[in-house]
Amino acid sequence: TQLLEQSPQFLSIQEGENLTVYCNSSSVFSSLQWYRQEPGEGPVLLVTVVTGGEVKKLKRLTFQFGDARKDSSLHITAAQPGDTGLYLCAVISGYALNFGKGTSLLVTP
Amino acid sequence: GAVVSQHPSRVICKSGTSVKIECRSLDFQATTMFWYRQFPKQSLMLMATSNEGSKATYEQGVEKDKFLINHASLTLSTLTVTSAHPEDSSFYICSARAVNNEQFFGPGTRLTVL
Repeated sequence: TQLLEQSPQFLSIQEGENLTVYCNSSSVFSSLQWYRQEPGEGPVLLVTVVTGGEVKKLKRLTFQFGDARKDSSLHITAAQPGDTGLYLCAVISGYALNFGKGTSLLVTP
Repeated sequence: GAVVSQHPSRVICKSGTSVKIECRSLDFQATTMFWYRQFPKQSLMLMATSNEGSKATYEQGVEKDKFLINHASLTLSTLTVTSAHPEDSSFYICSARAVNNEQFFGPGTRLTVL
C-alpha cells in the first residue's frame, strides 16, 4: 500500500499559470519533505515542514502542512519552464525516506 | 550543502555480468546510507539501508544475494548488481544520512543491461 498519495500524477501547463499539487495520507507525520527531481539526477530537497498548519515560502513556491499533519500541498505561482520536473513528497520511515509517486510537471513557454 | 557522489553515472553491461556502483559522501561522514531504485516515470523505491561496519538491511522483495551492499567506511558504500539481467535496468540512487539526520542524495547511476 502506498503511504503517500500524490495528485495529480501529471500536469502540463503554460508559462505564467499557477498550479497546486497535493500529497495526502491517512497517517499522521511528525514532518514531511518536498523534493524536486530533474531527469537523470537525484532529488533535491526543497523544504521540510514540521508544524501542523505551517506555511513556508521559497520564492514562487508555497508549501503548506495540513493542520492534522496528514497532508501537504505545494503551490507554484507564475510557473516557469525551469520549474519543470518531478515533485516528490516524502516522510521519514525509520531512518529512510518513503516517497510518494510524484507529480510530473511540464511547463511550456 | 553536503555533497554525495556516485560512480559511474552511466553503465551499460551484458546480461550475466556484475556491476559495482559506488556512493561517496564527500565532505561529511555517513554512518547510514540508503540505496533506492527508480524505474522510468516512477518514484524512488527503497532497496536497502547500508550501515557502516554491519550488514545491510534489505526491503521486502529485494534479493540480498543479487544486490550486494558493502559499507566499509564512513564515506563509502557500494552496491554490486550480480548477474545482471535486462529487468535490472534502472536508475540507482544513493543517499547519505548526516549527523543531523538530513539526507543528501547522489546524482544517480543509470544501469542498462543488454
